[in-house]
Amino acid sequence: DQQVKQNSPSLSVQEGRISILNCDYTNSMFDYFLWYKKYPAEGPTFLISISSIKDKNEDGRFTVFLNKSAKHLSLHIVPSQPGDSAVYFCAASAQGGGADGLTFGKGTHLIIQP
Amino acid sequence: DAGVIQSPRHEVTEMGQEVTLRCKPISGHNSLFWYRQTMMRGLELLIYFNNNVPIDDSGMPEDRFSAKMPNASFSTLKIQPSEPRDSAVYFCASSLLAGSYNEQFFGPGTRLTVL
Repeated sequence: DQQVKQNSPSLSVQEGRISILNCDYTNSMFDYFLWYKKYPAEGPTFLISISSIKDKNEDGRFTVFLNKSAKHLSLHIVPSQPGDSAVYFCAASAQGGGADGLTFGKGTHLIIQP
Repeated sequence: DAGVIQSPRHEVTEMGQEVTLRCKPISGHNSLFWYRQTMMRGLELLIYFNNNVPIDDSGMPEDRFSAKMPNASFSTLKIQPSEPRDSAVYFCASSLLAGSYNEQFFGPGTRLTVL
C-alpha cells in the first residue's frame, strides 16, 4: 500500500509559466518531506524540503507548500525553464530524514515546452 | 567535492551468479542507505545504516540479499544467487546523522541486469 502518492505520472507546462506538482501521503507519522529531481541515468538530486512545523518553504524559483490536515504537499516552480524538465519525486520521512529511510512516490515527469 | 560514489555503474550477469555492488558515502556522513528502483515499485528503501550499524533491513526482499558496512567509508550490497527479477537500478545515498531534517545525497546508481 503506497504511503506517498503522486497521481500525475506526467505534466506538460509551457516555458515561463508555473509548474505545480502534487503529492499526497497517508502516514500521519511523517514529519519531514522532500522533493527530488532526477535526470535519466543519474541519481535523484535534492531540491527542497519542509518539516511538519511549517506550511511553506521557498528557495528561489521553488516553493513547497504543506497542508497537514489534508496530508497534501505541492511543489511550485515559477517561472518554469527548459532545464526543469525531469522526473520529480516526492519523499517523506518519520524521523526527520537524516537518520531514517525515505518513502518515495512514483514520480511525476515534468516536460517544459518552449 | 566528491559526492556518493557507486561501482560498477552497469552490471550484466547471468542468473545464479553472485553480484556485489559498492558504495562510498560522502566523507563525514554517518548514515548510509540502499534503495532500488524498478518500473513496478518505484524507489524503495532496502536497508540503512547509522554509524556503520544496520538499523532497518525490513526492505531487503529476500535472504539472497545482504549488505555490510565494515567502515564509515564503504558499503556493499550483495545478491547471491541473482535472479532476473533482481534487475533494477540500485542507488546508494548518504546523509548526516547528527540533528534531524537532513537531506540524503544519492549516488549515480548501478544498473543491474540479470539474464
